[in-house]
Amino acid sequence: AQSVTQPDIHITVSEGASLELRCNYSYGATPYLFWYVQSPGQGLQLLLKYFSGDTLVQGIKGFEAEFKRSQSSFNLRKPSVHWSDAAEYFCAVVANDYKLSFGAGTTVTVRA
Amino acid sequence: DAGVIQSPRHEVTEMGQEVTLRCKPISGHNSLFWYRQTMMRGLELLIYFNNNVPIDDSGMPEDRFSAKMPNASFSTLKIQPSEPRDSAVYFCASSPRQGEGYTFGSGTRLTVV
Repeated sequence: AQSVTQPDIHITVSEGASLELRCNYSYGATPYLFWYVQSPGQGLQLLLKYFSGDTLVQGIKGFEAEFKRSQSSFNLRKPSVHWSDAAEYFCAVVANDYKLSFGAGTTVTVRA
Repeated sequence: DAGVIQSPRHEVTEMGQEVTLRCKPISGHNSLFWYRQTMMRGLELLIYFNNNVPIDDSGMPEDRFSAKMPNASFSTLKIQPSEPRDSAVYFCASSPRQGEGYTFGSGTRLTVV
């Protein structure tokens, strides 16, 4: 079965600094990969997704992610974070079926 | 596009009572999912419908949980009887087709006391 690992439970970053959130997946073939963001008390919003093609994917809110098959990774990045980026971020995968399996999430705190 | 609509946003009920959560998926989306989010277990898939038919309910925790999708625009998740350990945020999501990105509703925060 496929699985998703987000190694970092919590990351603190200064406003204006760059951010990178790690995601590793376990699956034999190339799955569909997603990043979602959840603000406190809110639902999950899709930031970006990768199905195939260009391995660098652009998303909303200035986020991007890069698929690296050799490392089974799909890390999320943002060059300069804003205070409004404080939230919980989930990496997710759909493999050969319909199930969207989520990682445990990474909480991002932005300090002034 | 109003997105996925869930009701109620918050529900507080006493143990033993029946609880019904409601979801209206995005029009034209063929797949509908119910997820539960807790601190201990994270996001768990409870049940998946495709074209209104339940395909996989292996994530439904117990017989106390049931879900229906009588038509393409409405689904319910029912817990009877409810227990304190059912307290969680329940999300509904829909997707235009299998494997596509899912759109989530705002969730229902259920508290069973």
